[in-house]
Amino acid sequence: AQSVAQPEDQVNVAEGNPLTVKCTYSVSGNPYLFWYVQYPNRGLQFLLKYITGDNLVKGSYGFEAEFNKSQTSFHLKKPSALVSDSALYFCAVRDNHNGANNLFFGTGTRLTVIP
Amino acid sequence: EAGVAQSPRYKIIEKRQSVAFWCNPISGHATLYWYQQILGQGPKLLIQFQNNGVVDDSQLPKDRFSAERLKGVDSTLKIQPAKLEDSAVYLCASSQDMWGTEAFFGQGTRLTVV
Repeated sequence: AQSVAQPEDQVNVAEGNPLTVKCTYSVSGNPYLFWYVQYPNRGLQFLLKYITGDNLVKGSYGFEAEFNKSQTSFHLKKPSALVSDSALYFCAVRDNHNGANNLFFGTGTRLTVIP
Repeated sequence: EAGVAQSPRYKIIEKRQSVAFWCNPISGHATLYWYQQILGQGPKLLIQFQNNGVVDDSQLPKDRFSAERLKGVDSTLKIQPAKLEDSAVYLCASSQDMWGTEAFFGQGTRLTVV
């Protein structure tokens, strides 16, 4: 069965510093990996995805993520954090070995960027 | 391109009452999902449709929850009877397919059961 783990409930970073939000996954086949962001009282917004190809993927708002197959990780990164990046971030995985291919979410990491 | 539409945005009901949520996915999207998000937790998949067929409803409490997607477009999720622990945000999402395409989410319906 597929699963995804976000080991940090909360990440604090100073404005202008680089940020990393961690995600590890477990699947039977090859993973499709996604990052979403959720602002207060809003739905989830898609940031980026890894399907195949280059391990470093770039997404919206300057975010990027690196797929590491040996470590089964897909950490979200940004070189310079903005206060407006403060939100709840979710990693999600779809297992293409599973016939249903459902989209399974982690528990979320709350990012706070300190001015 | 219009996004995923959900209604109502908010609903307050008493326990043991029934409630229904409606979702209109992005045009042309074959896959539709209903998620339950309890405060402070990640979204939990309740049911996934591919066109008008169910592909996964393993986490749907079928004694009280039901969902349908008639004609493979709009979908409704119903709870009858509601329990206090059903208080959550119910999110609808759609994607072009069940593979590498991302899912787009609606604003959600916040349900409070009192």
